[in-house]
Amino acid sequence: DIQMTQSPSSLSASVGDRVTITCRASQGIRNDLGWYQQKPGKAPKRLIYAASSFQSGVPSRFSGSGSGTEFTLTISSLQPEDFATYYCLQHNSYPLTFGGGTKVEIK
Amino acid sequence: EVQLVESGGGLVQPGGSLRLSCAASGFTFSDHYMDWVRQAPGKGLEWVGRTRKKANSYTTEYAASVKGRFTISRDDSKNSLYLQMNSLKTEDTAVYYCARVDHSSGYSFDYWGQGTLVTVSS
Repeated sequence: DIQMTQSPSSLSASVGDRVTITCRASQGIRNDLGWYQQKPGKAPKRLIYAASSFQSGVPSRFSGSGSGTEFTLTISSLQPEDFATYYCLQHNSYPLTFGGGTKVEIK
Repeated sequence: EVQLVESGGGLVQPGGSLRLSCAASGFTFSDHYMDWVRQAPGKGLEWVGRTRKKANSYTTEYAASVKGRFTISRDDSKNSLYLQMNSLKTEDTAVYYCARVDHSSGYSFDYWGQGTLVTVSS
């Protein structure tokens, strides 16, 4: 199985901050990675697909990069509605696996 | 508008069975692979399994934790996805989401249902 190591597991940041979340795959997954945002009591919402492609309707402050084993989600200027938990998902091989999540909290 | 609506969750005793349903609308259901993903209370997301479409013989894939106990099926005539869960364990307690697999922009999930809670407890 491909392990997805996501870091940090949590972070505190202020509105306007630049935030970076990383996922590391235990083996190469090309660009078969998506990023999701989840708010309490809600279903996850896709932000980025194919590692760096923008999901329609998602604010441009969200961006993704990486390929192979190292991937990054960046929020260029954190907004109040961005406080949530973020997950990466690899869909390169079965079983599909998620990172452990990053909870972004208000500082 | 794409909609996925799960139902069938509830309280079940260990060793029991439960069948979840996911009603799809707003898209051509038969054109898509469909998956189940679960989330234990306060925990992260865990992929459960997948059913492919008719052109791929409706073949399925499962996580090791549920293989042999859970069965995913679909009825394209009813735009519905199912998850039959047998021999349930307390560790199967979770919110279960159905999710549409997006073929056009990578095989990740572009739409999710709101989830249905399954509680396995005596």
